[in-house]
Amino acid sequence: AQTVTQSQPEMSVQEAETVTLSCTYDTSESDYYLFWYKQPPSRQMILVIRQEAYKQQNATENRFSVNFQKAAKSFSLKISDSQLGDAAMYFCAYRTFPNFGNEKLTFGTGTRLTIIP
Amino acid sequence: GAGVSQSPRYKVAKRGQDVALRCDPISGHVSLFWYQQALGQGPEFLTYFQNEAQLDKSGLPSDRFFAERPEGSVSTLKIQRTQQEDSAVYLCATIRGLGNQPQHFGDGTRLSIL
Repeated sequence: AQTVTQSQPEMSVQEAETVTLSCTYDTSESDYYLFWYKQPPSRQMILVIRQEAYKQQNATENRFSVNFQKAAKSFSLKISDSQLGDAAMYFCAYRTFPNFGNEKLTFGTGTRLTIIP
Repeated sequence: GAGVSQSPRYKVAKRGQDVALRCDPISGHVSLFWYQQALGQGPEFLTYFQNEAQLDKSGLPSDRFFAERPEGSVSTLKIQRTQQEDSAVYLCATIRGLGNQPQHFGDGTRLSIL
């Protein structure tokens, strides 16, 4: 079974600064997806960024980028130019490569990000 | 609808009561997932539907938990004889098709068992 570990229960960053959230995972599979989700107090899970394991290039989405180290099974999220609206719980998640019926997500325990004005 | 809709948003029940939680998926979304999120934890998978077929229920914690999706659209998660450890947020997520598609989440139902 796959496991996802987030070792930072809480992080804080000054507005406009950069912060990195850590995630490690364990799997025996060679093909899979990794995700970062944001969960504000409204509870809705919002997809921030996605990485396919077979792609060596790190994914980026505007101010959000990842550092994917497949051999080390590490998947960190970097948020640049932090904004007040980035404050939320952030979850790292793993999904096995799609095989038409097995796309469930395995989540870490989350990191609460606070933005300091 | 425009997004995944879950109801009720909050549910309070006494221990031993039965509860039913509803998920209205985005129109046309084939795959539907239920997750349980305990306080301070990440969501954990409960069960998965592809249209009306329940293909994976390995995450259901006990036989008190039952889910259905009879017409391949709306899904209901039922918990019988609720216990305090059932208190959690229950999230529903759907996918338009199969394979490489992102999951769209609802706002969840917060269930509190007294």
